[in-house]
Amino acid sequence: NAGVTQTPKFQVLKTGQSMTLQCAQDMNHNSMYWYRQDPGMGLRLIYYSASEGTTDKGEVPNGYNVSRLNKREFSLRLESAAPSQTSVYFCASSDPTGLYNSPLHFGNGTRLTVT
Amino acid sequence: AQSVSQHNHHVILSEAASLELGCNYSYGGTVNLFWYVQYPGQHLQLLLKYFSGDPLVKGIKGFEAEFIKSKFSFNLRKPSVQWSDTAEYFCAVNERGDYKLSFGAGTTVTVRA
Repeated sequence: NAGVTQTPKFQVLKTGQSMTLQCAQDMNHNSMYWYRQDPGMGLRLIYYSASEGTTDKGEVPNGYNVSRLNKREFSLRLESAAPSQTSVYFCASSDPTGLYNSPLHFGNGTRLTVT
Repeated sequence: AQSVSQHNHHVILSEAASLELGCNYSYGGTVNLFWYVQYPGQHLQLLLKYFSGDPLVKGIKGFEAEFIKSKFSFNLRKPSVQWSDTAEYFCAVNERGDYKLSFGAGTTVTVRA
């Protein structure tokens, strides 16, 4: 059982370049999320998708776009990378029911450096 | 917007010492509460969660947390830490019915052998 799979694991970009971070989950979860982790700031939500076909902005969406391709896959795109986007990016999924948010299952992260 | 505060940025302990990490949140309504742990080089894993019922919840690896509604707190405890508990610990909160989970800044715990 792979859980949540993210690719790539590491990436170095130059300012202005674009890239897409891929995420897939095999747990049949409805909800998927993209977070970024920065030292001293914890995890901040970039975008989330409560269910297939829907996406919503989180705390820090500027400079990012997302696509919920199907129930399994949720990609994050940086159209024009900036040094401020240097971070570790985590994809997560969950299967909330009603009022209760089930625990998030996280991928192993993508370490992105923008020079 | 809801915020989550973790009071300690870095805690250094010796093995067998007791651990308590503070977490407070700002939202006054009904919430779901979580503690996650991130071991060096790994992704976040769930330690424990609270939805309702007994405010003292037990998680994996001997951890427990107490929800005190009047203090908007959800503190994490472990009576006797081990070297393998060296990790970063995150408190997370969401409003009941809202799928967005807000995380605290994290507390790095270093346990010295």
